[in-house]
Amino acid sequence: NAGVTQTPKFRILKIGQSMTLQCTQDMNHNYMYWYRQDPGMGLKLIYYSVGAGITDKGEVPNGYNVSRSTTEDFPLRLELAAPSQTSVYFCASSATRTTTYEQYFGPGTRLTVT
Amino acid sequence: GQQLNQSPQSMFIQEGEDVSMNCTSSSIFNTWLWYKQDPGEGPVLLIALYKAGELTSNGRLTAQFGITRKDSFLNISASIPSDVGIYFCSGGDSWGKLQFGAGTQVVVTP
Repeated sequence: NAGVTQTPKFRILKIGQSMTLQCTQDMNHNYMYWYRQDPGMGLKLIYYSVGAGITDKGEVPNGYNVSRSTTEDFPLRLELAAPSQTSVYFCASSATRTTTYEQYFGPGTRLTVT
Repeated sequence: GQQLNQSPQSMFIQEGEDVSMNCTSSSIFNTWLWYKQDPGEGPVLLIALYKAGELTSNGRLTAQFGITRKDSFLNISASIPSDVGIYFCSGGDSWGKLQFGAGTQVVVTP
């Protein structure tokens, strides 16, 4: 039972490089989310999606882009990496509007930008 | 955005002791949830609270949704070594999004 999977687990980027963080869920959840977690801080919402083809900005969207072409996948794109984007990134999903708060998280991607 | 104040920031306890942590906000929430994060892992949902005043248990864990809808607490009874980790409170707003506290680091010593 895979749940929410994320790849890669670790990545080091140079300033200005681009990359895509992958997220896949096999629970047929409509809602998916991307968060970042900085040391000693709670999670901050970057982007979210309520279904295939629908995405919206969260609290900290600058420097990121997302797409949702299928129910299962929700990739996060960093176009021009900056040191401020060094963080741990978590993808999450939830089933329905009534249980949207009960989110299932992936294991995270630890990103360092140098 | 709304800010959740979670306390204490960390706690060192002996095995068998009870643990208590809380979360407060200046704004009301529709839902309060408590998550636990183990090192190198994503958060895992422990308890979800949907009604002001609600008191819910999950094994040795007990959580309450404050009457004012601006606070919640989590208690862990008779702590064991596997209780070590970071506990996050989160509040669900009316747009269906979660706000997270900064976490309480729990260390259990034998």
